[in-house]
Formats: sequence, structure tokens, C-alpha cells
Amino acid sequence: DTEVTQTPKHLVMGMTNKKSLKCEQHMGHRAMYWYKQKAKKPPELMFVYSYEKLSINESVPSRFSPECPNSSLLNLHLHALQPEDSALYLCASSSPGGLYEQYFGPGTRLTVT
Amino acid sequence: EDQVTQSPEALRLQEGESSSLNCSYTVSGLRGLFWYRQDPGKGPEFLFTLYSAGEEKEKERLKATLTKKESFLHITAPKPEDSATYLCAVQAGYGGATNKLIFGTGTLLAVQP
Repeated sequence: DTEVTQTPKHLVMGMTNKKSLKCEQHMGHRAMYWYKQKAKKPPELMFVYSYEKLSINESVPSRFSPECPNSSLLNLHLHALQPEDSALYLCASSSPGGLYEQYFGPGTRLTVT
Repeated sequence: EDQVTQSPEALRLQEGESSSLNCSYTVSGLRGLFWYRQDPGKGPEFLFTLYSAGEEKEKERLKATLTKKESFLHITAPKPEDSATYLCAVQAGYGGATNKLIFGTGTLLAVQP
């Protein structure tokens, strides 16, 4: 089963709200990723977790806070976002160590008002 | 600087009209090249991984090939359901235990009946 699930599918939040995006996989993968994708652009890497530890942070603003509670779950906590943060947020997972394909979830469409 | 370029940006085909999409790359030590398909508003769907020049992979109407400088995604007798954005991504010679992908900007394929 090559499935990554994400909730919610859609999220509308104000600039003062706090919300969280959730991602889950049951493929036994030990690397998990958050990407941001704007319209007609490729996915842009935000964070990488490997064995539940943050290994890459692509200089993402602190209003985005990732969390990996266990090997199957990945959260992205959102606070004080800006309208330009509106995008499709994608979660992915893979075997760690490189050379392995990443499997993506369906994404959360975030709108910041 | 590592770079991935896809061409054409957009391609319109008649059903049954075969063609090829190109992905050229300049990276310091290619470790793997990945092809994904992405439908509007959804997460990328993994298609192929290629590791070394001369390698070929096939799936239904799609065939991916790899040389030392570029990869091609050949589409034979396409159908309207093949319409999507096709993304190419490479993993370069980074150290460490995680795979960071460098994405191209994609080719938007439209197949008309």
C-alpha cells in the first residue's frame, strides 16, 4: 500500500489563527517531508524528518513549525500566517538514506485570509 | 549550481499521437532521477526511478530513458486520461541520510480526443 493521507483537504484560516496540518503513512518509511506548492510551480521543499529527527529546514519562517510525533505521523503547525502562504501543502514519505522514491499525499489546500 | 530543466512547458497532442517530454539536468553527481505525474489540485504520483545512463523503465503507454545529461519520457499512443503535468526530479550527490529532490518546472500535457 503506497498511501500517504493528509488532513484536512481544505483549510481557510485568518492571519491570527493557529491551525495544524496532519500527515500519516503506514509504509514503514522513516523519512517524511513537507513541501509547499504554488500554482503552476513545482513542489518546494520545506522540512525533512529522518528517523523522527529534523534533518533539513529550508530556511522556512518560524510561523511554520513541524513536528514528528512518531514514525507514521507528521504535523505542520501554523501560526500568524500571511496571505502569501496560501498554497497546496504536500506531505511525502520515503525510505531514508537516499536513492528512494518519495510518495506524496493528496495535499491540503490552504487559504489565508 | 544544480539545475533541472523540462521542455516543452506545455504540449498538446491528439489522441494516439506519440511524443516525448525532455528533462535535462546539470548536477554534481546524479544519484537518481524520478518522474512524477500530477493532476490538478492533487499530489504528485510516482512513475519511475532511473539510476544510471542507459537505463529504461516502462509502464503502460509511458517509457522513461536516461542519458548522462537528460531523460526522456516517451508517451506512445496517448489517451485523454494521460493529460496531466509531468514532473522530473533529481537527487544529486548530497551527503547524509536523506534525499533532497531538485524538481523541474514540469510539462503540462493535454491530450485531445
